[in-house]
Amino acid sequence: GAGVSQSPSNKVTEKGKDVELRCDPISGHTALYWYRQSLGQGLEFLIYFQGNSAPDKSGLPSDRFSAERTGGSVSTLTIQRTQQEDSAVYLCASSLLGGAKSPLHFGNGTRLTVT
Amino acid sequence: AQTVTQSQPEMSVQEAETVTLSCTYDTSENNYYLFWYKQPPSRQMILVIRQEAYKQQNATENRFSVNFQKAAKSFSLKISDSQLGDTAMYFCAFMKHMNRDDKIIFGKGTRLHILP
Repeated sequence: GAGVSQSPSNKVTEKGKDVELRCDPISGHTALYWYRQSLGQGLEFLIYFQGNSAPDKSGLPSDRFSAERTGGSVSTLTIQRTQQEDSAVYLCASSLLGGAKSPLHFGNGTRLTVT
Repeated sequence: AQTVTQSQPEMSVQEAETVTLSCTYDTSENNYYLFWYKQPPSRQMILVIRQEAYKQQNATENRFSVNFQKAAKSFSLKISDSQLGDTAMYFCAFMKHMNRDDKIIFGKGTRLHILP
């Protein structure tokens, strides 16, 4: 069956522009996570959705970052006024219920380059 | 707060050899899960193995096994008979046990090269 889909796979943008990254989770998965992977920094948690609500936004690095999820399905991560330090791979993952007993399924990520 | 530390940024071994990747973590929790994820060049994260902290028996999945030392807060991954396809980034990760709203916390990763 279809896995987690992220688009675009690569995005190059100029400093100061806004970008939107999209994640299509596996159908029926209630939990959705966004992570950021910077060179040498591992995976940094950004935000978690359970259905359409976000119980944990603690990882969003600044108010330039926001995310929403609609219909309990597709999620969009928006970065406003991009900066060069925003360059990274943004990974999305979903799981059936959330929590440790539901395996995470990851997408292939969006590589964002801010010039 | 929980932390996960992988002290080996990069490793190389010859094909067919056995390799061990180190991971330590810090938590005050008693019940939790530990994971090893593999990230090949395709960027897609793949779950390699999972360990529940309340289980004393070390988890194994074919050529992959862990050495879980709860008191020492250590969770190393052993890859036996390594293959070229094992070349990837490997991430150790931690998650608290019961709350569905908890998130997985990852280490910084170990880049593993299997040499022909």
